Amino acid sequence: DTGVSQDPRHKITKRGQNVTFRCDPISEHNRLYWYRQTLGQGPEFLTYFQNEAQLEKSRLLSDRFSAERPKGSFSTLEIQRTEQGDSAMYLCASSAKTGNGETQYFGPGTRLLVL
Amino acid sequence: AQSVTQPDIHITVSEGASLELRCNYSYGATPYLFWYVQSPGQGLQLLLKYFSGDTLVQGIKGFEAEFKRSQSSFNLRKPSVHWSDAAEYFCAVVLTGGGNKLTFGTGTQLKVEL
Repeated sequence: DTGVSQDPRHKITKRGQNVTFRCDPISEHNRLYWYRQTLGQGPEFLTYFQNEAQLEKSRLLSDRFSAERPKGSFSTLEIQRTEQGDSAMYLCASSAKTGNGETQYFGPGTRLLVL
Repeated sequence: AQSVTQPDIHITVSEGASLELRCNYSYGATPYLFWYVQSPGQGLQLLLKYFSGDTLVQGIKGFEAEFKRSQSSFNLRKPSVHWSDAAEYFCAVVLTGGGNKLTFGTGTQLKVEL
């Protein structure tokens, strides 16, 4: 399977703990995105990378959140001092610009539950 | 404010019936337009997209969508629904020249009655 992969698929943690999620994009894609989806809502943009550069961050990305893409390949999203409000599905997508537009392809997501 | 609206939160159709899911956007310029489908606990799968050109676009699984500039709409259609189409459907836009992030509607949950 050459799609976007995410690990872990599920994570249960206690409030105050740190968690880290990983995303492996489609190999030839130079853009990588993180989104957060809460129950009953559409995904909301968090941040995106072009190669290893983080080019945009949403106001949703508080100081407790940090994302990296050190070699322009896989990316990690870390949440420090988790809060119950962080419980959500975290989705990763990758894309490559082609022609007059680009298409983002999503991974299966990491579902986080903070107790 | 710029937004994407999916007015129908839930829709129930009988298997074999036709389907139309509505999507409206509020932007000054024509954005790039997408429809994604999400099965429970899963990521999003792209159904179809519109960048430019022919306003009727064909997608996977027998879906199509029509861009209507005058109505700022991009409605998704399928002539005959299958039970396996039951899922949540999201309309999304990318504002041309305004970054690359997708802005999603709140989704429409489709139930198919056998």
